[in-house]
Amino acid sequence: GDSVTQMEGPVTLSEEAFLTINCTYTATGYPSLFWYVQYPGEGLQLLLKATKADDKGSNKGFEATYRKETTSFHLEKGSVQVSDSAVYFCALSDRVGTSGTYKYIFGTGTRLKVLA
Amino acid sequence: GAVVSQHPSWVICKSGTSVKIECRSLDFQATTMFWYRQFPKQSLMLMATSNEGSKATYEQGVEKDKFLINHASLTLSTLTVTSAHPEDSSFYICKARLNTEAFFGQGTRLTVV
Repeated sequence: GDSVTQMEGPVTLSEEAFLTINCTYTATGYPSLFWYVQYPGEGLQLLLKATKADDKGSNKGFEATYRKETTSFHLEKGSVQVSDSAVYFCALSDRVGTSGTYKYIFGTGTRLKVLA
Repeated sequence: GAVVSQHPSWVICKSGTSVKIECRSLDFQATTMFWYRQFPKQSLMLMATSNEGSKATYEQGVEKDKFLINHASLTLSTLTVTSAHPEDSSFYICKARLNTEAFFGQGTRLTVV
């Protein structure tokens, strides 16, 4: 079945450091890929997404490229800030059969802590 | 973007009692809502799909008599954890879809003592 694997945290970085959070997936179809962010005490928010191979999603300085050949969707940011401290979830969405239903599969989440 | 409000954010209850969690779509109508559960250091697992005006669809292994779902209106779905036990302590989060995009509630941290 479909699955999402992302690197375990926590990841601790100094402000302005480069961030990479790895995410790989397995899917039977042609899924859409997402990164969600969960700030302390809040729900999940969509950070970025990509719907087909080679698409690059970007938002708030974060980027991720849909790599079909390596089945990956790694999250990157060139210079992190303290306010980026949160839990980041990689996820895929895939259609169930020929129905209009989509299933979402989430990774376990990676906690990022950015120190001033 | 669209807003999904979940209430309460935190709840502590005694073993054997029931807890109701509400999920509201504030600025759109959601005929379908989804309930997820997250154990520490694990991914979100879909528990059930809540359909307005009809019975919820539960994932395999989820006890429908224990996790009662009611979706009485286009903007409200409720999850009731009945006769809660310490092993039900978890983070519960709802989701609603608008067009092709998903919006999550803030989540509810349930602790059963």
